[in-house]
Amino acid sequence: GAVVSQHPSWVICKSGTSVKIECRSLDFQATTMFWYRQFPKQSLMLMATSNEGSKATYEQGVEKDKFLINHASLTLSTLTVTSAHPEDSSFYICSARNMGDEQFFGPGTRLTVL
Amino acid sequence: QKEVEQNSGPLSVPEGAIASLNCTYSDRVSQSFFWYRQYSGKSPELIMSIYSNGDKEDGRFTAQLNKASQYVSLLIRDSQPSDSATYLCAVNKVTGSARQLTFGSGTQLTVLP
Repeated sequence: GAVVSQHPSWVICKSGTSVKIECRSLDFQATTMFWYRQFPKQSLMLMATSNEGSKATYEQGVEKDKFLINHASLTLSTLTVTSAHPEDSSFYICSARNMGDEQFFGPGTRLTVL
Repeated sequence: QKEVEQNSGPLSVPEGAIASLNCTYSDRVSQSFFWYRQYSGKSPELIMSIYSNGDKEDGRFTAQLNKASQYVSLLIRDSQPSDSATYLCAVNKVTGSARQLTFGSGTQLTVLP
């Protein structure tokens, strides 16, 4: 299957700082990428849809000014958590969709905000 | 009614048995269906995609789709302890020009050695 990478795999930061997470499709181009968040023992929650060259579409209840998404190329999307607080601590996972409509997930980024 | 429903389990099968995972969906116009496996603490891994009615086999995995009944299933033959994970059924939902996956809540499978 196709490979999607995420960086960093884990990050610990102080409250009030910003954290950037990168998502790359390594062997295919993805016009659409997705960002999810998952809390322990809970389902995946879609945060936003990232479209190359245009603004991201955010799900209801997700603050676009807090979770900044940039999809500058067909292989890279970034999620920046601005002014992070402890309640933002979670497992953030990106996915990229190929031409066959399949979504491949990155390995995830575990964020801990102290 | 949930958009994608799975038998939540947990489901336990002995090693070597067939594990059967079921999923129903509510949106009749859905065209793409997927099964993901998620190990604890890891991200989901795509194991099967199916688009047409009938069966699709890949190794020990067989996906079955019945659009008339709005039903998709996954069979795992010769189950191994390494198959123990949560299995997520996902359906592509089309809203206007947007397509995104809608996930079931997952079925936790344990394969007993």
